[in-house]
Amino acid sequence: GIQVEQSPPDLILQEGANSTLRCNFSDSVNNLQWFHQNPWGQLINLFYIPSGTKQNGRLSATTVATERYSLLYISSSQTTDSGVYFCAVGRSGTASKLTFGTGTRLQVTL
Amino acid sequence: DTEVTQTPKHLVMGMTNKKSLKCEQHMGHRAMYWYKQKAKKPPELMFVYSYEKLSINESVPSRFSPECPNSSLLNLHLHALQPEDSALYLCASSLLSGEKLFFGSGTQLSVL
Repeated sequence: GIQVEQSPPDLILQEGANSTLRCNFSDSVNNLQWFHQNPWGQLINLFYIPSGTKQNGRLSATTVATERYSLLYISSSQTTDSGVYFCAVGRSGTASKLTFGTGTRLQVTL
Repeated sequence: DTEVTQTPKHLVMGMTNKKSLKCEQHMGHRAMYWYKQKAKKPPELMFVYSYEKLSINESVPSRFSPECPNSSLLNLHLHALQPEDSALYLCASSLLSGEKLFFGSGTQLSVL
């Protein structure tokens, strides 16, 4: 199956700092989504971004499908950004079978 | 309404019990999903329903039985579970299969 690697696995930031999370995948995809799982377990969809760049407030994401990676940018981080960030991908033809990466655990401190 | 609602939030059951997890959405989505998540691991796909028909079963043991009675409801019937089945069970929906996923808050299941 498709391999999805996320880096870094763990990240500690001070409030106000910026960060970049990376997702590498091993095959061509036509479905790529970024999620934030908060400390209470709720998964929030941040972006549906199989290609291109999108922005939503302090967050933005870029997917370069031809080079098989996606980046999630968090600017001016806040303590509420803490949690685990997952990238999930679906291969062409089986886009509904999302494979999740192992996640980046982010802790934002005061 | 932009929510996926799951009940119950917590469930403790014995290995001989039969229980059901419920999931509901009123966003007009035609694809619904069950995922399983063990602690400190990513979610893993179990089942996908598209237009109320089972389209994907990821080789899930038969002690888990999904049901989609209508386009808004998804159930997961549990029977004779094992302690290793203890996990967070997440329901999700999307407008169509393969599109942006919306997750419910999950059912934390403990099997004793």
